[in-house]
Amino acid sequence: SQKIEQNSEALNIQEGKTATLTCNYTNYSPAYLQWYRQDPGRGPVFLLLIRENEKEKRKERLKVTFDTTLKQSLFHITASQPADSATYLCALDPSSSGSARQLTFGSGTQLTVLP
Amino acid sequence: ETGVTQSPTHLIKTRGQQVTLRCSSQSGHNTVSWYQQALGQGPQFIFQYYREEENGRGNFPPRFSGLQFPNYSSELNVNALELDDSALYLCASTLGAGGRTEAFFGQGTRLTVV
Repeated sequence: SQKIEQNSEALNIQEGKTATLTCNYTNYSPAYLQWYRQDPGRGPVFLLLIRENEKEKRKERLKVTFDTTLKQSLFHITASQPADSATYLCALDPSSSGSARQLTFGSGTQLTVLP
Repeated sequence: ETGVTQSPTHLIKTRGQQVTLRCSSQSGHNTVSWYQQALGQGPQFIFQYYREEENGRGNFPPRFSGLQFPNYSSELNVNALELDDSALYLCASTLGAGGRTEAFFGQGTRLTVV
């Protein structure tokens, strides 16, 4: 069956360290993979999109990698700050063609950055 | 803040009732998707509308239905509410279907069924 799994439901790290979140998928061949941030009671906010032919994407302190052989994406936040505390969701486009396409989400990883 | 707004923000309904949730999409976006998010879970895809037509549906029963209007705003209707329908309902607007562009989410409607 198709699955998207994000590592540990919760991750605690010290301020200033690098947070690494994992997204593994099974029985998908996504053309795109996205990462979102969600604060309690709010809608997800887009962070980064990476395409299947890209290995890495960066935006300020954020970095995403995409390994289609391992079927895995890693999301890194460098020099983490308490304000980075939130739930992070990975989402993929499950098909590379067709009209009925939608984002499919993992269950998220709750990150807490400790001061 | 995105340009996607949802109303109402909170709602309490009784089991068996019907509910309508509303969403106005980001300016210029022609596709609206609806998601249900239970506590501690990721958003689950309900359905998508593209240019006023349903353009894909997730694993939800027919009592979940929707509409998209010429201005691309959208409604989600749920009939015969069940306790398990209690969740955060999110709409997301995109320019076109699929994951090739970012989705802009509204703040959500928190539905509680008692």
